[in-house]
Order: sequence, then C-alpha cells, then structure tokens
Amino acid sequence: AQKVTQAQTEISVVEKEDVTLDCVYETRDTTYYLFWYKQPPSGELVFLIRRNSFDEQNEISGRYSWNFQKSTSSFNFTITASQVVDSAVYFCALTEGGDSSYKLIFGSGTRLLVRP
Amino acid sequence: NAGVTQTPKFQVLKTGQSMTLQCAQDMNHEYMSWYRQDPGMGLRLIHYSVGAGITDQGEVPNGYNVSRSTTEDFPLRLLSAAPSQTSVYFCASSYRDGNTIYFGEGSWLTVV
Repeated sequence: AQKVTQAQTEISVVEKEDVTLDCVYETRDTTYYLFWYKQPPSGELVFLIRRNSFDEQNEISGRYSWNFQKSTSSFNFTITASQVVDSAVYFCALTEGGDSSYKLIFGSGTRLLVRP
Repeated sequence: NAGVTQTPKFQVLKTGQSMTLQCAQDMNHEYMSWYRQDPGMGLRLIHYSVGAGITDQGEVPNGYNVSRSTTEDFPLRLLSAAPSQTSVYFCASSYRDGNTIYFGEGSWLTVV
C-alpha cells in the first residue's frame, strides 16, 4: 500500500536557522510522483514542488532545497536561513503514475514555527 | 482566470441537515477531487472524477455523494450531516498528467 510518513509533528527554530523536514514514502510502483505543499495559517495549500521517480537530482529554489533518495525512499525538504514567514504546516504527498497520477496520498504534516 | 473556486468558505450545520459544497474550475481540467483535512491526519481523498459523467470513491467516501455533469463543476453533497464530518474540505483539479494539482481555498464545515 502507498503511504507517506512525516515523523516530525512540530519543529520550532529561531529565525535564520536551517531546518530540514523529513518525508519517507512507501509505494509498489516504479513510476510515482512526490510533492511538497505549504499550508500557511490562512489555510490554503501552496504547491512547492513535484518530482518524478526517475529524476533523483536534488533541486534548489532560493532558500528551499529538496533531497530525493530512492535508496531510502525519502524526499526531504530543507529551508535555509529560515524566516518567520516560513511558519506553516508542510505536507509531503505521493501519487502513482498512469491513471492515478492525480490522486494524492498525504503525510500527516509537519508544523514549522520560526521564532523571531 | 479564477482557478479552483469553492463555496461556501464557512458553514455551520445541525446534525441531520443536508448541504452541498460547490467546486468549480475554469482550466478545463479532466480530473477533479475532494479531500478532507482533519487535525493530525493530513488530507484524505473522499471522491474523485476523471471526466464529466464519471466519478469514483476515494479513501473516505461514506456520507458523501458527488456528481460531475460538466467538466467545470464537481459538487460534494452531505445528505445527513454528522459531527464526524466536521472538517476542512478541499477541492482539487488537474490535467490528466497530474503535473500540477490545483487546490481551492478550502471550506470550513462544522456540524453541531
């Protein structure tokens, strides 16, 4: 069965610290997609990244970076030099390929609090 | 371009009442879905549709009905609301490749 585990329920850091959010997934398929979403206090879901299972290159976007490792079934998310505006709940999610590419399986989320 | 629009944003229902959460998208997406978000559990798939006239159940379908008469609209119906359906509901849509899955802003539902 497909499953996404975010073991860190809540993380608290001081502004400008680096922080890594962990995501471990389980799937039987060889073709799948991994996502990260941000949910700020206002409640909407903000898309951050989508990565397919054949692309293991790490990705960097400004202060955000993602480390995809198929060997450990992990897709971790690092925020460098965190800011108060990064305070939110972050969700990791998985979809399988083909006809299921639109059905997201979410982890339980990690609440990040960045203190000034 | 409005994206995915959900209404209402907030609703309080009494146990046993019925209501419909509306979802509309203007991107001509084939796929539309409804999720619910409960504390500490992430989002779970309720129902989904791969095109007009086609719907199917997700992980937690009990107590909900859906229909897809047009590509644009995908309403979620609660026939007899229960306190266990107190949750935040999100509608989502995407093209067939699922490359980008767009979410509505959410609907906060309380059943008392």
